[in-house]
Amino acid sequence: ELKVEQNPLFLSMQEGKNYTIYCNYSTTSDRLYWYRQDPGKSLESLFVLLSNGAVKQEGRLMASLDTKARLSTLHITAAVHDLSATYFCAVGRLMEYGNKLVFGAGTILRVKS
Amino acid sequence: GAVVSQHPSRVICKSGTSVKIECRSLDFQATTMFWYRQFPKQSLMLMATSNEGSKATYEQGVEKDKFLINHASLTLSTLTVTSAHPEDSSFYICSARPTSGGAWTQYFGPGTRLTVL
Repeated sequence: ELKVEQNPLFLSMQEGKNYTIYCNYSTTSDRLYWYRQDPGKSLESLFVLLSNGAVKQEGRLMASLDTKARLSTLHITAAVHDLSATYFCAVGRLMEYGNKLVFGAGTILRVKS
Repeated sequence: GAVVSQHPSRVICKSGTSVKIECRSLDFQATTMFWYRQFPKQSLMLMATSNEGSKATYEQGVEKDKFLINHASLTLSTLTVTSAHPEDSSFYICSARPTSGGAWTQYFGPGTRLTVL
């Protein structure tokens, strides 16, 4: 059974600081996603990582994937208050009936000014 | 483009009643739609995968007789929570995969907050 673990589950940061969220998964996957969720809202897609060594950046967020270690990271650079949200990683698996996503528990990020 | 809507956005019902939630792809056709459940401060759990015109595939531990899924058209899937109980209170999110898009493309709806009293 595919398991996806995120840590930390809660992260309180000062504005301007850097930090990394980690996402480990238990079996081989076909791709890795990062999503953002604001309170009471649905998911906003941030990144899709397809291959070993993939790195993508958007603003203050950068995601990377190491398929050999089964690890993805979401790095936050010089955090700002607007980044406060819950961040999920999700692993895509090809199943006999189609594709499915298995989500990590999520990381609640609070950026303090 | 690629908008998925859900209706209602919020519903409160009494224990024992049934509630229907709609998921629509507004500007594309979706052969496959997914239903997720998210309890407060927890992650999303896939409940079922529905394909237009065929029976839904339910994840292990999800009661198919309690969570009825109908995907009668390429733009609409419905989830009916039958005989709802307080433990069914949750945030239900659907997503839709465009028929003409990549196999992994998936657009999420805004979610439906269900509260069972």
